[in-house]
Amino acid sequence: AQKITQTQPGMFVQEKEAVTLDCTYDTSDPSYGLFWYKQPSSGEMIFLIYQGSYDQQNATEGRYSLNFQKARKSANLVISASQLGDSAMYFCAMRAGSGGGADGLTFGKGTHLIIQP
Amino acid sequence: NAGVTQTPKFRVLKTGQSMTLLCAQDMNHEYMYWYRQDPGMGLRLIHYSVGEGTTAKGEVPDGYNVSRLKKQNFLLGLESAAPSQTSVYFCASSYRGLAGARGETQYFGPGTRLLVL
Repeated sequence: AQKITQTQPGMFVQEKEAVTLDCTYDTSDPSYGLFWYKQPSSGEMIFLIYQGSYDQQNATEGRYSLNFQKARKSANLVISASQLGDSAMYFCAMRAGSGGGADGLTFGKGTHLIIQP
Repeated sequence: NAGVTQTPKFRVLKTGQSMTLLCAQDMNHEYMYWYRQDPGMGLRLIHYSVGEGTTAKGEVPDGYNVSRLKKQNFLLGLESAAPSQTSVYFCASSYRGLAGARGETQYFGPGTRLLVL
């Protein structure tokens, strides 16, 4: 069974500070992908960043980076220089399987991030 | 490119009524998914499709049916709506399905809010 754990239900951060959102995962499959999505109050799911289990380097996308620690099974999202527009729910998700399986994503319960001016 | 679109955006049903949610993508993606999101939770997979003419059950398939007659469209049907199906429904698509490989990233539509009275 696959599981995603996000231990921070909510976070308050001052604008311009860096933010780390925690995510741990559990799977016995050697092949998996890890994702972070942002869900603003308007409701859409916005893809932020992806890390494959075989990727040697941590993924980066602009102000977003994924701190991938395979041995600890953690995939924390780091947002540098936070902005007011970063206020939203953030979901960590995983997709695991071998042999080309096409199952969907397993999501964590999310972290509600609020950026304060 | 419109990406992933969903119709309708919002719908109110009475218990026992039926309806179909339409998902369309213009990215030539092979894989498509339907999820539901309930308050305070991440998304859960209802059904998915690995290609035109194929469908498969996800984590919470009861009470729903799907069809993929055309590659770009994925329909979700509720034959007899129940209050427990009140939720936000998201459609997603991805280029490929191999876990841990680039191209498995799922891109989401804007969602459909469904209220069953």
